[in-house]
Amino acid sequence: DQQVKQNSPSLSVQEGRISILNCDYTNSMFDYFLWYKKYPAEGPTFLISISSIKDKNEDGRFTVFLNKSAKHLSLHIVPSQPGDSAVYFCAASGRYGGSQGNLIFGKGTKLSVKP
Amino acid sequence: DTAVSQTPKYLVTQMGNDKSIKCEQNLGHDTMYWYKQDSKKFLKIMFSYNNKELIINETVPNRFSPKSPDKAHLNLHINSLELGDSAVYFCASSQLRQGKGGYTFGSGTRLTVV
Repeated sequence: DQQVKQNSPSLSVQEGRISILNCDYTNSMFDYFLWYKKYPAEGPTFLISISSIKDKNEDGRFTVFLNKSAKHLSLHIVPSQPGDSAVYFCAASGRYGGSQGNLIFGKGTKLSVKP
Repeated sequence: DTAVSQTPKYLVTQMGNDKSIKCEQNLGHDTMYWYKQDSKKFLKIMFSYNNKELIINETVPNRFSPKSPDKAHLNLHINSLELGDSAVYFCASSQLRQGKGGYTFGSGTRLTVV
């Protein structure tokens, strides 16, 4: 039972262009959403987050958009750089949703940014 | 200076053995976690500990037992290892529950049961 879904296992983008990674969730009790980035043989590292009271959060080249009615969020990376090539995990948590507030992760999307 | 460190990084063992994975965090966080990433790449929570108290156990077999001697350490003990236990295990910590501010993860322990 996947409460957080990342339906695209991989994405390939040209350097300098925009990367858009998508995530859907099913539990309406989630109130906090995060994106993590993971390189091979390393643990996931926190990238950016958004609270359910907002619909957009921006941090440098990274912007997360939240559409609560559609239960959808996306991560935009502009401009994409080769160093952004990694697996990106979407995660969600909520006081009453999913494992008593612990993070629930999606399956990840592997982003490849080509020079 | 590693914030969340787990050892060993790789562990190969035979079925039926008992093994432990250690985790330490130097961030002063009050909650620690163990996640399992299986062959399908899902990151699934196994345990979380808050102030030395187990606060969740996500239908994990009782062959797995977390041990926390203090709030900076959360070790994972696995008894009678099975082939299906092969996975990458990640330790993590956070200051507050519910993931506010994000979790800090260790680099993972790849367990292979043969």
